[in-house]
Amino acid sequence: IQLTQSPSSLSASVGDRVTITCRASQGISSYLAWYQQKPGKAPKLLIYAASTLQSGVPSRFSGSGSGTDFTLTISSLQPEDFATYYCLQLNYYPLTFGQGTRLEIK
Amino acid sequence: QLQLQESGPGLVKPSETLSLTCSVSGGSISSSSYHWGWIRQPPGRELEWIGTMYYSGSPYYNPSLKSRVTISIDTSKNQFSLKLSSVTAADTAVYYCARRMNVAGGWFDPWGRGTLVTVSS
Repeated sequence: IQLTQSPSSLSASVGDRVTITCRASQGISSYLAWYQQKPGKAPKLLIYAASTLQSGVPSRFSGSGSGTDFTLTISSLQPEDFATYYCLQLNYYPLTFGQGTRLEIK
Repeated sequence: QLQLQESGPGLVKPSETLSLTCSVSGGSISSSSYHWGWIRQPPGRELEWIGTMYYSGSPYYNPSLKSRVTISIDTSKNQFSLKLSSVTAADTAVYYCARRMNVAGGWFDPWGRGTLVTVSS
């Protein structure tokens, strides 16, 4: 299964609403997770099962979708949200990640 | 709180075998609720799933690496290991270990901090 994230990079300002898309090459039900990665750090789980917010993750993060099309939305960007975001499909082996979306400060 | 810590050589010569260990603390590797896996990330590139294993089951490997990879679990030491044979420069990456939920579509969380392995003579 190929996952294609768009955009590959994005410039935004604090307070902006941002949406990142992940499209699967075939249906994966709701078996998708979203991760945030900062330089030199391990990925951090934000969303699992496409739309379930991981405990401790701020509510400005939300996920939606099923089948082939998924979105991660940050409702109001905070300075600590500037990072790279990855989607991961967990329905079929081999498990596959998207290529990442780099979110930069405008 | 569960923690994972990768350990192993940071430098491996081409054609040799990369060996890493992930030590699990704060929980049992024999829990029926979890699988255990390895993921890697070449410098500046995206994440790649290497393989996953249940403590009493057969491992699943990425077909792109399957002929060279072995994942094993040592329940007595509460740790699991990765071996990747015949390495080349393309295997240079940060290697992460992580726990995967044992449910349909189970996600990885938490992850270890990662360890950089460089393949060079």
